[in-house]
Amino acid sequence: LAKTTQPISMDSYEGQEVNITCSHNNIATNDYITWYQQFPSQGPRFIIQGYKTKVTNEVASLFIPADRKSSTLSLPRVSLSDTAVYYCLVAPPGFGNEKLTFGTGTRLTIIP
Amino acid sequence: DAGVIQSPRHEVTEMGQEVTLRCKPISGHDYLFWYRQTMMRGLELLIYFNNNVPIDDSGMPEDRFSAKMPNASFSTLKIQPSEPRDSAVYFCASSPSGDSNYGYTFGSGTRLTVV
Repeated sequence: LAKTTQPISMDSYEGQEVNITCSHNNIATNDYITWYQQFPSQGPRFIIQGYKTKVTNEVASLFIPADRKSSTLSLPRVSLSDTAVYYCLVAPPGFGNEKLTFGTGTRLTIIP
Repeated sequence: DAGVIQSPRHEVTEMGQEVTLRCKPISGHDYLFWYRQTMMRGLELLIYFNNNVPIDDSGMPEDRFSAKMPNASFSTLKIQPSEPRDSAVYFCASSPSGDSNYGYTFGSGTRLTVV
């Protein structure tokens, strides 16, 4: 599985747009990029997944450049409730998804 | 659907005692995973099942740990005997077979403290 690198922590003020970048230089052709969110005392929760270009859902946007060696999770107009740890994972679908490996994640703190 | 259900939410036990953690996956999900989370090591995969069969237990730390899945709706993770270094949050997750669009669904975890 491709190794990922993310910032250990980030702070942001309420109402700001937050961008968390993940590096995955060894991403394989059939790998997808998936982001999870984990609140204190809860298990991780799937947020968004993409393969290339841009994906958007009701929670976030995911930007993936053409070389796919990095990806950026964008959270629009964050609120205090977005304080959580965010994990970037890279793995192929199907068989690869069966053994997702979580790194240390990015601890995002939203400041009032 | 009630999601992945784990019990108990909290467990405090004395060193040397047997501990059993329980998990009910989402109905219809063919894959079940047990993870352990600590501050030092992050989220580690311990073992996973496919259609109730253990596929990979290479993450199980030692013989004191065992996991079973007697049927599609129930799994247990047992630690015998427990040690203080086993203190962690243990998560169970399930996933539908071959569906990469939604990833895993995690339970709320069991916080285990061994004193």
